[in-house]
Amino acid sequence: GAGVSQTPSNKVTEKGKYVELRCDPISGHTALYWYRQSLGQGPEFLIYFQGTGAADDSGLPNDRFFAVRPEGSVSTLKIQRTERGDSAVYLCASSLGEPQETQYFGPGTRLLVL
Amino acid sequence: AQSVTQLDSQVPVFEEAPVELRCNYSSSVSVYLFWYVQYPNQGLQLLLKYLSGSTLVKGINGFEAEFNKSQTSFHLRKPSVHISDTAEYFCAVILTGGFKTIFGAGTRLFVKA
Repeated sequence: GAGVSQTPSNKVTEKGKYVELRCDPISGHTALYWYRQSLGQGPEFLIYFQGTGAADDSGLPNDRFFAVRPEGSVSTLKIQRTERGDSAVYLCASSLGEPQETQYFGPGTRLLVL
Repeated sequence: AQSVTQLDSQVPVFEEAPVELRCNYSSSVSVYLFWYVQYPNQGLQLLLKYLSGSTLVKGINGFEAEFNKSQTSFHLRKPSVHISDTAEYFCAVILTGGFKTIFGAGTRLFVKA
């Protein structure tokens, strides 16, 4: 079956612009996670959804970052007024729901802010 | 605050040699422990996980890890590595009762012929 997909695979934008990153989880997975991975680092937790609601958004770095999952499936990570420091690979993962369940990761979106 | 430390950023090893990738964590409550692997140009995938019970956990591709509560460690081992094991390995924890996954910085395993 299809895995987690993310679009676009690469995004180049200018400082100050708005970007949206999309994640399509595995069908039937109720849990969805967003992470940010900078060069040479491990993934950094941003936000976790259970169904449509953000159950834990403690990892969002500031109010420029926002994520939605309106129908409990596809999720969009939105970044306003992008800064050069936002450049990273943004990863999405989905799972069946419980924290001990395996997370299945997408290939990531590489964001470059010029 | 919880944290995960992977003690080696890079581990070079010859093919068919044994390898151990070290992981220590800090937490005041019980945790679930995971090892993920990222092969070149591929996404992260789960190698193995410890939830409870036996402290020795076996995973895919011949890897195993041992949970040591007193030393707060979860080291990954393989008795004989292959060239195809060359990848980045990440240790991760989730506090029981929570969902936030904390990853280590990763260890790059480089297997030489």
